[in-house]
Amino acid sequence: AQKITQTQPGMFVQEKEAVTLDCTYDTSDQSYGLFWYKQPSSGEMIFLIYQGSYDEQNATEGRYSLNFQKARKSANLVISASQLGDSAMYFCAMSGPGPSSGGSYIPTFGRGTSLIVHP
Amino acid sequence: NAGVTQTPKFQVLKTGQSMTLQCAQDMNHEYMSWYRQDPGMGLRLIHYSVGAGITDQGEVPNGYNVSRSTTEDFPLRLLSAAPSQTSVYFCASSYPGLIYEQYFGPGTRLTVT
Repeated sequence: AQKITQTQPGMFVQEKEAVTLDCTYDTSDQSYGLFWYKQPSSGEMIFLIYQGSYDEQNATEGRYSLNFQKARKSANLVISASQLGDSAMYFCAMSGPGPSSGGSYIPTFGRGTSLIVHP
Repeated sequence: NAGVTQTPKFQVLKTGQSMTLQCAQDMNHEYMSWYRQDPGMGLRLIHYSVGAGITDQGEVPNGYNVSRSTTEDFPLRLLSAAPSQTSVYFCASSYPGLIYEQYFGPGTRLTVT
């Protein structure tokens, strides 16, 4: 079974500084996908970034990058130059093998990290 | 495109009542799923569907029922509401595959008294 662990319930960062949100995962599958989502106080879920298990380069999307360390089974989100609008809950998720391997592609989510950006 | 829509946005039920949360998507996604979000628990999968006519249980299926008669719609039924079902419910859809992100609806906040 897949498992996602986010050990930081809350994080604080100063505006314009970088912050790393931790995510570790557990799976015996070779093929999987890793995702990060943002949930602002308004409640909607916003997709941020994706990393495939076979991707050798870390994914980047603007100020977001995913620090993927496969051997350590970690997929940390790095937000550079934090902005006040980055204050939100952040969820790490993993999609597993599909029906041909006895699973589905439906992702498992971690418990989330609450990020507060201070001015 | 409306994306993923959910109705209602808010609902208050009394213990024992039943109701249906509606979810629809207009992106022709094969995959649809229901999650519940509780403080400190993240998103937990209730039920999911990989296509019309096919549904399966997730992590926390007890007390909920689903059906998928069309690609577009995936309603979630609460059979006999309990206070433990007070939560925020999200419907999501996606293409099938490891690389595809979930598209989420705006959520339904349900309170059971």
